[in-house]
Amino acid sequence: QQQVKQSPQSLIVQKGGISIINCAYENTAFDYFPWYQQFPGKGPALLIAIRPDVSEKKEGRFTISFNKSAKQFSLHIMDSQPGDSATYFCAVPGSARQLTFGSGTQLTVLP
Amino acid sequence: NAGVTQTPKFQVLKTGQSMTLQCAQDMNHEYMSWYRQDPGMGLRLIHYSVGAGITDQGEVPNGYNVSRSTTEDFPLRLLSAAPSQTSVYFCASSSQTGVNTEAFFGQGTRLTVV
Repeated sequence: QQQVKQSPQSLIVQKGGISIINCAYENTAFDYFPWYQQFPGKGPALLIAIRPDVSEKKEGRFTISFNKSAKQFSLHIMDSQPGDSATYFCAVPGSARQLTFGSGTQLTVLP
Repeated sequence: NAGVTQTPKFQVLKTGQSMTLQCAQDMNHEYMSWYRQDPGMGLRLIHYSVGAGITDQGEVPNGYNVSRSTTEDFPLRLLSAAPSQTSVYFCASSSQTGVNTEAFFGQGTRLTVV
């Protein structure tokens, strides 16, 4: 059974600060590593994803860093905003595109 | 542009009752999955399907049945509800085209078993 370990479980940062969430996996069917964002009462939605032909991918204030040898990838949120307050999940895909999720990180950005 | 639609949004069941959670997608996606979300445990895969007529078990399949008679629909059946099945259930779909396949989730069904 695939294990995906995510940390920290919760994170509180001040507005303008940097939020960092880490994820470690055991194996993967595809070289594709997504992060999902979930607001209360909503389903998860894709935030950003990376193919490991690059070690880093940036989209606006969100950056994924990937370390293939360590089987780890992380999400960095620069200049964190109160609107970023949500739960974040890393995920690893199986051969049928089914996802194994990390346990989630509840991010709170204080105004 | 409906995407993935789940019904109902909320449901209360008595122990031992059965029910079906509905999931429909209008994106012609081949892959569909059911997850349950419990506090502190993330989303766990219940069952998934790679196309009409093909289903497989995920991490936590016990107590649930699925079938996939059409590309659009993927209902989840609770055979005899138990309090341990109190959870939020999400259905997702994704395309088989390419590797960078985004999973699209429904709004969820919040189920309480008393």
